[in-house]
Order: sequence, then structure tokens, then C-alpha cells
Amino acid sequence: SQTIHQWPATLVQPVGSPLSLECTVEGTSNPNLYWYRQAAGRGLQLLFYSVGIGQISSEVPQNLSASRPQDRQFILSSKKLLLSDSGFYLCAWSVRVREQYFGPGTRLTVT
Amino acid sequence: DQQVKQNSPSLSVQEGRISILNCDYTNSMFDYFLWYKKYPAEGPTFLISISSIKDKNEDGRFTVFLNKSAKHLSLHIVPSQPGDSAVYFCAASAADQFYFGTGTSLTVIP
Repeated sequence: SQTIHQWPATLVQPVGSPLSLECTVEGTSNPNLYWYRQAAGRGLQLLFYSVGIGQISSEVPQNLSASRPQDRQFILSSKKLLLSDSGFYLCAWSVRVREQYFGPGTRLTVT
Repeated sequence: DQQVKQNSPSLSVQEGRISILNCDYTNSMFDYFLWYKKYPAEGPTFLISISSIKDKNEDGRFTVFLNKSAKHLSLHIVPSQPGDSAVYFCAASAADQFYFGTGTSLTVIP
């Protein structure tokens, strides 16, 4: 069966510090991978999606970036965090764009 | 521009009654629709889906209805249970992307 892992589960970082969130998927090959953010009291905002290694599409211009160094690994990064980057970050995968499965999420608080 | 909209941010229902959550979309290219349930500090979990070639899909207490002419879908939960209390997101897919609504917080009152 397929599983998706995200870490860390929670993170508190000061403004201006770097960020690296990692997501890995097991049990499937060549998945589409997605990063979403849920800000407090708001819906899911698509940040990045990837249909293959090294292929990244950005939906929202911001100080975040994403990389896909391996088929089942998706990384969300920032060189300098802003207060507005606080939120709940979710990684997700899909194979046929018919069902999408989410990881447990990372709660990021920028102080 | 929000292509998938959930206009009711919250809904309260008595236990045992029907819960109806609504969702509207604008893009006629969407061909698959999904509902997710989300608890605080957890990832959304897939609940039920429907293809655009159907108008109804049922799974136990959950039924999704699709009205393509109105670009509207709804999720019916019957009977509602306290454990159903959560935020429900509808989503629509096209190409490689999923588009989510802003969610409806359902509270089932015992």
C-alpha cells in the first residue's frame, strides 16, 4: 500500500531563517506530487506541483521554492522565512489525477 | 480567482439528521470531483468522489450529487454522527491539478 511521510511535524523558526520541509512517498512510482499551504482559517492553497523529477510548476509567486531530486521525494524550501509563511503545509500525491492523498502535514510557525 | 467555492463556512446539524454540504465551480473543464474530511492539525482524508459522467455516487452514509448544468455538487451525510464533525473540502480536478474550496466546518450536535 502507498504511504506518504512528511517531516518535521511541527517547526518554529525565526524570521529570516531558512526552511526545508521534506515529503516522501512509498509504494508507488512516478506520482504527481503537490505542496499546499493552509493558512489559519483558510482553504488549501496550491503552492507547487511536480509531474516528474526536476519538473516543478509554481502556482503562487513567493519566497518559497520546491525541488524534486528523486521520483518519490519532494522538498519545500525557503532561503529567508517571512512571518506570512506561517501555516500548515501539506504534501500530497496522485497517480491518475483521480484521487489525491495527503500527508500528515507540518505546522510551521515563524516568529 | 477561486474556481471552486464553498459559500457556507460552517454548518450545524443535530445527530441523526442529514448534513448537506454544497460546492460550486466555474470551470467546465473539470472532469472529476472529490470530497475530503479534515481534522485540525491533520492532513485531509479522501472521502468520496464522482466522475463528471455521473450525477450520483454513494458510499455508505455519504452520497455526492453532481449537477453539471448548474456547476454544483453536494455531499449528503445521513444519518449524521458526532464523529462527522470536521472541516469538509470539495475539490475538482483537471489536467494535473486539483482545485480546492475553502472548506465548510460541520458540527454535529449530540
